[in-house]
Amino acid sequence: DVKVTQSSRYLVKRTGEKVFLECVQDMDHENMFWYRQDPGLGLRLIYFSYDVKMKEKGDIPEGYSVSREKKERFSLILESASTNQTSMYLCASSRLTGQATEAFFGQGTRLTVV
Amino acid sequence: GQQVMQIPQYQHVQEGEDFTTYCNSSTTLSNIQWYKQRPGGHPVFLIQLVKSGEVKKQKRLTFQFGEAKKNSSLHITATQTTDVGTYFCAGNGGSQGNLIFGKGTKLSVKP
Repeated sequence: DVKVTQSSRYLVKRTGEKVFLECVQDMDHENMFWYRQDPGLGLRLIYFSYDVKMKEKGDIPEGYSVSREKKERFSLILESASTNQTSMYLCASSRLTGQATEAFFGQGTRLTVV
Repeated sequence: GQQVMQIPQYQHVQEGEDFTTYCNSSTTLSNIQWYKQRPGGHPVFLIQLVKSGEVKKQKRLTFQFGEAKKNSSLHITATQTTDVGTYFCAGNGGSQGNLIFGKGTKLSVKP
């Protein structure tokens, strides 16, 4: 059974903290994505990666960075968490074929910044 | 950058009524995907359309891709309470297989 696993289901962090969200996939996918989901705004792409050590900015990269040191792992980093980063964060992965292919999502991490 | 617009944002129907959500892109898409997210869950892939004018069916769900490959629709016939959730379309945002999602249509079904 294919799987995308996010390290935490719920997180509560303080303003100014450095926050790491981890995502691991077991499907040997080249592509990995981080989205945030907010009511009425849908899924907005933060960053994606199509290979180890490669990253591309999405629509809303400000305040975030990412790390892809191994193919199976894609980390999202909030350098200094702020209350406007309170959201549901979804990680996804897919194969790289030149066209978009089915994306598999993790269960999501609901982050609250207080 | 590329944008994918989806309407309506919300739809409330009586069980047994039909439902349609529409998706429009600012640019021509190489393909379009549809996902369903149940309440409290994560998006799950439903289908991918690739060809101009393509129509695909999954039981009561009918998916269409426009002739110009800039719009798509999902139609559900005779909705059931199990259809409740948010339906997203997603278009290819570039050669690396990036996915740009619409804002989704949240469907509620009254029994």
